Amino acid sequence: QVQLVESGGGVVQPGRSLRLSCAASGFTFSNFAMYWVRQAPGKGLEWVAVISFDGSNKYYADSVKGRFTISRDNSKNTLYLQMNSLRAEDTAVFYCARDINVAQFYYFGMDVWGQGTTVTVSS
Amino acid sequence: DIQMTQSPSSLSASVGDRVTITCQASQDISKSLNWYQQKPGKAPKLLISDASNLRTGVPSRFSGSGSGTDFTFTISSLQPEDIATYYCQQYHSLPLFGGGTKVEVK
Repeated sequence: QVQLVESGGGVVQPGRSLRLSCAASGFTFSNFAMYWVRQAPGKGLEWVAVISFDGSNKYYADSVKGRFTISRDNSKNTLYLQMNSLRAEDTAVFYCARDINVAQFYYFGMDVWGQGTTVTVSS
Repeated sequence: DIQMTQSPSSLSASVGDRVTITCQASQDISKSLNWYQQKPGKAPKLLISDASNLRTGVPSRFSGSGSGTDFTFTISSLQPEDIATYYCQQYHSLPLFGGGTKVEVK
């Protein structure tokens, strides 16, 4: 079945780095744009970053631009989020998600979601 | 930048009630809007795409309408399992979610 499984979350001190991974299965990973979306405790959903199906295009929310990097390895069916210079306000559950449509350089939204991985930034 | 205003932020209704949530965009986004359901402790679930397209397997009591700047999400007859927070999300430009509507049962 179609599945996304995030890993790599944990507790990290402010200013440090963390890399999240998202393993995809059950579909042709290289055909879909992929997202990271986060949710701070008790708050709403916030889009973080998106990468095109082939990895050539990447876009970021202003809140993470210059600190976070999205990437993918289509040979390993894996999505990544490198998070540097972490701040307390980055504390959240991070979800990876698949785009609705196949092989587009346009981003339609998220039809498959992982279960999320929790990142806590605290000293 | 596009802004998305979702209302109300919360509502309480009885089982069987008709529930309506609105989402307003700060500029014309055509029909580039999705609706998601998120139950506590769970990942969001896509219910409606392109403003009114009910996703496969989603009960027909859920519906969406609208275009341009004003959109509506409706549950025709609220069921206990519909208790959740609902989000709109525009994709006319880079993704942006509305603030969410928490639906509770009276």
